[in-house]
Amino acid sequence: DQQVKQNSPSLSVQEGRISILNCDYTNSMFDYFLWYKKYPAEGPTFLISISSIKDKNEDGRFTVFLNKSAKHLSLHIVPSQPGDSAVYFCAAAALIQGAQKLVFGQGTRLTINP
Amino acid sequence: NAGVMQNPRHLVRRRGQEARLRCSPMKGHSHVYWYRQLPEEGLKFMVYLQKENIIDESGMPKERFSAEFPKEGPSILRIQQVVRGDSAAYFCASSRTGGAAGEQYFGPGTRLTVT
Repeated sequence: DQQVKQNSPSLSVQEGRISILNCDYTNSMFDYFLWYKKYPAEGPTFLISISSIKDKNEDGRFTVFLNKSAKHLSLHIVPSQPGDSAVYFCAAAALIQGAQKLVFGQGTRLTINP
Repeated sequence: NAGVMQNPRHLVRRRGQEARLRCSPMKGHSHVYWYRQLPEEGLKFMVYLQKENIIDESGMPKERFSAEFPKEGPSILRIQQVVRGDSAAYFCASSRTGGAAGEQYFGPGTRLTVT
């Protein structure tokens, strides 16, 4: 049972354009959402997050949008740069017994073409 | 300020042997999480620990797997009698708090290969 889904395994975008990565979730208990970036042979790096009480959070070139009614979130990167090429994971968090438990999607491999 | 450290980075074990994976959290972090990533899949939660306590082990296989986070020293994920299906990347993460907004910071992972 995949509670967090990233339906696009890969995405290719031209440098300077906007990259949009999508994520869907099924569990209404999730109250916090995060995006992580992962390079090969490294651990995931926290990128940006959003609380369920908000619908948008922006940090520099990165913006995350949350649509609770559709149980959908997206990460926008603009302008895209070659260094953004990586695997991006969305994660949803629920506070269970006082502990934050993260549920990850399968990841989307983003390639930025010069 | 060192990040989360994991060792070894690569571990090769034959079927039936034991694997011990170590994780040292970031300074000031007392919450440790272990995740497993199988090829072409996302990370799957295994266990959440605080010092000397297992808080949530709902993602741990019922047999052969155990975890600890002693008062002194790193957190250890132990896999007894490894099988080929245990081959995966194992990531440890730590956070300052266990609450909803406590971002988890990940180590570089240990890639376990069972031959």
